[in-house]
Order: sequence, then C-alpha cells, then structure tokens
Amino acid sequence: DAGVIQSPRHEVTEMGQEVTLRCKPISGHDYLFWYRQTMMRGLELLIYFNNNVPIDDSGMPEDRFSAKMPNASFSTLKIQPSEPRDSAVYFCASSLGTSWETQYFGPGTRLLVL
Amino acid sequence: AQKVTQAQTEISVVEKEDVTLDCVYETRDTTYYLFWYKQPPSGELVFLIRRNSFDEQNEISGRYSWNFQKSTSSFNFTITASQVVDSAVYFCALGASGGSYIPTFGRGTSLIVHP
Repeated sequence: DAGVIQSPRHEVTEMGQEVTLRCKPISGHDYLFWYRQTMMRGLELLIYFNNNVPIDDSGMPEDRFSAKMPNASFSTLKIQPSEPRDSAVYFCASSLGTSWETQYFGPGTRLLVL
Repeated sequence: AQKVTQAQTEISVVEKEDVTLDCVYETRDTTYYLFWYKQPPSGELVFLIRRNSFDEQNEISGRYSWNFQKSTSSFNFTITASQVVDSAVYFCALGASGGSYIPTFGRGTSLIVHP
C-alpha cells in the first residue's frame, strides 16, 4: 500500500490567497484526521471524519478553515483567505475501525504564507 | 481540562544506553486514552501506542516499553539499548472522554542518540 498521500508537500503563498491541501487515505480506512503543527501551538487535531462524515471540527481555528471528504479516498483542507499565522505543517492521518486506534500519517504539507 | 506535561525538553544519550521519556497528564475524566508518537528528523509522524485508562498493564514492544501509573498520572516511555535511529522528537498525548477523546499533545521531548 502507498500509505497516506498528501499534496502538495510544500506550498508557499501570499497572504489573502486560497490554499487547498489534499489527502488520500489508505484504502479501506474509515477514519481520516487533519492535524496542524506549529512552533507556537505544537500539535493540534483540527478535524476528523468517519465514513466521510465530519465527526468533530472543534479544532478548526476559524471560519477561514474548511474541510471536506467527498468520498472515501479523498479529503481537502482549505484556507481562505490565508494569513501568515497559518504557516505550519499540516498532517493527514487515517485509521481503520475504532477511532484512536493506530493512525497512519502522511508526510505532511509544509505551508508558508508570506 | 486536559493537560500533558513532558518536562524533558531534550535528552542526549550515547548509543546502547537506556533512556526514559517522562509524561505526566491531568484530567478529571476516568475514561481516557494515552498515546505516544515519534517524529524523526525527516518530519513524518509515527503512531507508537495507545493505552486506555482501564488497562494499567505495562506494554513492551521490542526495545520499547511503556509504564502506565494512574497513581502518579504518568505514562512513561523507555527505550532500552538506544540506537542512533531512535533520535527523534517524541510526543505524549491524552484524549479524555470529556473532550470526545480529542488528543491534547505534550510539547515533545527531543531525544538525541550519539554513536
């Protein structure tokens, strides 16, 4: 299996631009998670899905952030408009079965907003 | 409220030494999960273990072992006979029922293993 795939791996954009991060979970996994890692705040869970349905989005920082999972093999995290404080590494992870079981992480997307 | 404290910011050891990474947690909930993750220098995140609050048995996986003690609210991680490849940042996390098990992460401990 190819593992969790994230794209792009690196993104540099200017403040105010829309940014879309993409994730393909491991085939057959029914849970998908989006995390963010910054120096200031450390690791945070933003949102997670079960069977394509958002279960908890309490970690989403504000309305500028949105996440979707249109099907079992694809999810997006969108930031519109982006701000410099959104600069971070964004990780996607997936797991099979009960939530909080072994999670498999993607390589992350390193986002820099200028 | 949930809180995870990893008091050791950085630990430096020489290969083959045993090393213990400390994790202390706070929660008022009786049902919770504890986790450890590894982040090597390459940056990816690796899930290591999940324990639930009702299972205080220590866990061993190869050179890795975990000691869960409710009495001291600790979930410490020991690497036996450390190797250079163990060099990474290790994160402890807590997910409690009152917070829908959403993990709260510690700030991490950077482990450097010298050859």
